[in-house]
Amino acid sequence: AQSVSQHNHHVILSEAASLELGCNYSYGGTVNLFWYVQYPGQHLQLLLKYFSGDPLVKGIKGFEAEFIKSKFSFNLRKPSVQWSDTAEYFCAVNPTSGTYKYIFGTGTRLKVLA
Amino acid sequence: KAGVTQTPRYLIKTRGQQVTLSCSPISGHRSVSWYQQTPGQGLQFLFEYFSETQRNKGNFPGRFSGRQFSNSRSEMNVSTLELGDSALYLCASGETGAVGGYTFGSGTRLTVV
Repeated sequence: AQSVSQHNHHVILSEAASLELGCNYSYGGTVNLFWYVQYPGQHLQLLLKYFSGDPLVKGIKGFEAEFIKSKFSFNLRKPSVQWSDTAEYFCAVNPTSGTYKYIFGTGTRLKVLA
Repeated sequence: KAGVTQTPRYLIKTRGQQVTLSCSPISGHRSVSWYQQTPGQGLQFLFEYFSETQRNKGNFPGRFSGRQFSNSRSEMNVSTLELGDSALYLCASGETGAVGGYTFGSGTRLTVV
């Protein structure tokens, strides 16, 4: 079955620390990959997306993600986090074989200490 | 521009009742998707509509249904409510569908008692 794994459920960092959130998916075909973020009390927002080409994609607010096809991974990174990055982060996979849905990971709650 | 609007924000229903949730997408967006979010199962895909046609359906029982109108507004209906249907129901809209990225609404919190 298709699935998306986010192994870190809760992450606590101090401001200025570097961030890497893992995302692995199980699907044999071509996929489009996304990271969404949900700030406290707000709706889900698109952080970045990957379709093809350069496997390193840059998103908003200094976030980037790298697609490693051989590892079925799409990890999210930020060199230096801020208190305002406190949020829940969701990885999502869209299989390209005629589907119009996301398969979401279970999310990672990030807390950044000021 | 206005975001995705979901109404109502909160609902409390009794087991066995039915409920209809509404979603108004961003103007110009023809794709509307619905997701169920629960602490145990996370975000689960319900269905996706594009220009009034359902293109994809998730693994939910037939009690869950939806439709999309000519103005792209969408409704989802849950009949014969069960306690396990308590969840946050999210609507998302996009120009083309999942591949283009979605804008999500704030959701409708449904509590079944």
